[in-house]
Amino acid sequence: ETGVTQTPRHLVMGMTNKKSLKCEQHLGHNAMYWYKQSAKKPLELMFVYNFKEQTENNSVPSRFSPECPNSSHLFLHLHTLQPEDSALYLCASSQEGKGTQYFGAGTRLSVL
Amino acid sequence: GIQVEQSPPDLILQEGANSTLRCNFSDSVNNLQWFHQNPWGQLINLFYIPSGTKQNGRLSATTVATERYSLLYISSSQTTDSGVYFCAGFKAAGNKLTFGGGTRVLVKP
Repeated sequence: ETGVTQTPRHLVMGMTNKKSLKCEQHLGHNAMYWYKQSAKKPLELMFVYNFKEQTENNSVPSRFSPECPNSSHLFLHLHTLQPEDSALYLCASSQEGKGTQYFGAGTRLSVL
Repeated sequence: GIQVEQSPPDLILQEGANSTLRCNFSDSVNNLQWFHQNPWGQLINLFYIPSGTKQNGRLSATTVATERYSLLYISSSQTTDSGVYFCAGFKAAGNKLTFGGGTRVLVKP
């Protein structure tokens, strides 16, 4: 248990569906992150939120829409995804500027 | 941004063997972490080690910041050590971790 919880753990969706991934951290951190891990590729940073404000968007397509209502919760809203978006999506949190990031167990997404 | 290279990409060990994994950075970093990703995808923090040496049970890590590399040592490997080991780091400004490609370790009984 890392203190970062992601739901759902698995998700299968069609290209016309809308779904959301949820992340919650119980560590009192003020920075949260979304990463994408595709097969045979390094983890790619997607978004960074510091104190609920988005400070990084790593050229992510608009079909991925993050939301951070408070420092403990982070969502990733998905719509009109493509099959190549199938991947493991990982959430992490840290104390801003103090480095150590703690990861959730991930949501394994399949887009049909 | 910085580039992170890990070697070897794959490692097969007999249970009980020792091994060394390496991580090279293209530039200096002031945050460096080692992770173990289990077969279910969970990334577990092993070490936060921007410099120096740390030990945790059968695992230890050494970072030589001036030469931009870090080493992870696994001693007396067990089958539960199987998985992918990642190193990641970022420079002083910002908190964007850049990950290496990982070393996939398989420990055979």
